[in-house]
Amino acid sequence: EIVLTQSPGTLSLSPGERATLSCRASQTASSSYLAWYQQKPGQAPRLLIYGASSRATGIPDRFSGSGSGTDFTLTISRLEPEDFAVYYCQQYGSSPWTFGQGTKVEIK
Amino acid sequence: EVQLVESGGGLVQPGGSLRLSCAASGFTFSNYAMTWVRQAPGKGLEWVSAISGSSGTTYYADSVKGRFTISRDNSENTLYLQMNSLRAEDTAIYYCAKMDCSGTNCKSPGKNWLDPWGQGTLVTVSS
Repeated sequence: EIVLTQSPGTLSLSPGERATLSCRASQTASSSYLAWYQQKPGQAPRLLIYGASSRATGIPDRFSGSGSGTDFTLTISRLEPEDFAVYYCQQYGSSPWTFGQGTKVEIK
Repeated sequence: EVQLVESGGGLVQPGGSLRLSCAASGFTFSNYAMTWVRQAPGKGLEWVSAISGSSGTTYYADSVKGRFTISRDNSENTLYLQMNSLRAEDTAIYYCAKMDCSGTNCKSPGKNWLDPWGQGTLVTVSS
């Protein structure tokens, strides 16, 4: 089983600042089968990024993903008020599909 | 527009059973693998089970293997999760999700991201 470790647990930032979220895999994630999801309180998760770096339909270009192998990053270039939420990474290259524990981006 | 609507959640005693449903619309249901993911109160996401488009292949997390059964009815565009021998630790919001891919054949669960997700249904296991 591939274990995903996200850091930091909580990121305290102000609107307009840059957010950098990390996701590290315990073993190589095949061919960058890595996705990022955003979840706001009381809502279902929403796909942001798939294939480590491809933005999902309708996702603003301030969201970008990068990385390969075991180290992946989600970057939000300039935080908007609606971006404060919890973010999860997920590997879908091999069963069991696994999620990181999440990073909460909160308003400073 | 793709829509997934879960139902069937509720309060059940430990050792009891429950069947969740996920009604799908807006896409050719049989062409896509589907999955269940759960989230315990205040916790993160945990993958539970997945099924291929033809129902030929199923996958389970170790935590539910032997107790939960995933199935689908492609004629009714509905995904199911039969949950038996429920435990307190199964208490969670259960989400269904469509397993999407880059190509035209997304019937196999492998290499598929989850998009979109339903709104979830709450299962509470308590006496």
